Amino acid sequence: SQQGEEDPQALSIQEGENATMNCSYKTSINNLQWYRQNSGRGLVHLILIRSNEREKHSGRLRVTLDTSKKSSSLLITASRAADTASYFCATDGAGTYKYIFGTGTRLKVLA
Amino acid sequence: DARVTQTPRHKVTEMGQEVTMRCQPILGHNTVFWYRQTMMQGLELLAYFRNRAPLDDSGMPKDRFSAEMPDATLATLKIQPSEPRDSAVYFCASGEGQALGEQFFGPGTRLTVL
Repeated sequence: SQQGEEDPQALSIQEGENATMNCSYKTSINNLQWYRQNSGRGLVHLILIRSNEREKHSGRLRVTLDTSKKSSSLLITASRAADTASYFCATDGAGTYKYIFGTGTRLKVLA
Repeated sequence: DARVTQTPRHKVTEMGQEVTMRCQPILGHNTVFWYRQTMMQGLELLAYFRNRAPLDDSGMPKDRFSAEMPDATLATLKIQPSEPRDSAVYFCASGEGQALGEQFFGPGTRLTVL
């Protein structure tokens, strides 16, 4: 299986602090995506990084990708209470056409 | 604004009953995915359609689950007969283009089988 594994499983921080989540996967990929899921809702796409990219930014989000280590990290800077959610990485397998989602990190930002 | 819609949002049924979940993908999207989410298994891909043709349904229990796209605006996921272990949240997602990219998720159908 090429399922991504997020680390940590749960994270609790104070508003204003940075939050870092990691994702490790098993096989080579074309792309890796990060999604957010608020409680009781569907997933929302945050950012996509391609295998030939090392870093990508979107607002307060910074994603890195290290294909040699088969890992990615999502950094949320200056966190807000509204960032409280579960965060998932999703990886496609090179040569496949579907994404496999990881187990998720539950982030809680305390006001 | 364009979004994926799913009906019903909640469904409670008894074991053995047929359950049909519906999804309306975003207009113009040509890929549709069905996922199941549980605490134990996380988010699992059940089926994948491109241009209404099923490309992969290897994640579905074949004896009781079926997925179809009668037309470009409707995708259905049917369970017959339903079992308590099917209790989960079922998500539909759609996307566009040939290359895999962003998937737009619906709000989900929360299914409880008693």
